[in-house]
Amino acid sequence: DSGVTQTPKHLITATGQRVTLRCSPRSGDLSVYWYQQSLDQGLQFLIQYYNGEERAKGNILERFSAQQFPDLHSELNLSSLELGDSALYFCASSVAPGGDGNTIYFGEGSWLTVV
Amino acid sequence: AQKITQTQPGMFVQEKEAVTLDCTYDTSDPSYGLFWYKQPSSGEMIFLIYQGSYDQQNATEGRYSLNFQKARKSANLVISASQLGDSAMYFCAMRERQGGKLIFGQGTELSVKP
Repeated sequence: DSGVTQTPKHLITATGQRVTLRCSPRSGDLSVYWYQQSLDQGLQFLIQYYNGEERAKGNILERFSAQQFPDLHSELNLSSLELGDSALYFCASSVAPGGDGNTIYFGEGSWLTVV
Repeated sequence: AQKITQTQPGMFVQEKEAVTLDCTYDTSDPSYGLFWYKQPSSGEMIFLIYQGSYDQQNATEGRYSLNFQKARKSANLVISASQLGDSAMYFCAMRERQGGKLIFGQGTELSVKP
């Protein structure tokens, strides 16, 4: 158990719908990352937050948004869903946003299927 | 730009034998970290081992060791005494000091044969 908690573990939704994925980082971790894993794109970095502030942005679509709340949990919102958004979405956390020896731990992922 | 390359899409190893999974990287940052993760078929991403660019010794964690050759920009994972439960996808990843995000390789699928 990495200590990073993601919910829901699985969800199936229709095209055009909106879903919210939730992440609770490990105790003491201030930085949260979101990744998307699909068969054709591999593991893609979406976005990073540190202590409530956006730190870095990757290949995140405009239809997607995220935030980190004062209690440090984070949510990834996916809207106007398309079939191609079907993927495994990971949340990860670390103590600090960068630096040496700063291990990043992943949650178990949220499997999203868009039908 | 950072890049991680794993050239072995799939590998087989006999149970109880050692196996090396290759990883090469490219970065212009003098300070960086290298990670290996295991992803079993159930999907979770499990942290295995970390090597810092300034670490003098190769990292070890139980049956896992990282063969770090800085001049060659390689960070190969060695798994000793393979077990059936080691069958999984293995990802090499890198993070530069200033950047927080991990960049992943394409992964190597390891199959352990009884």
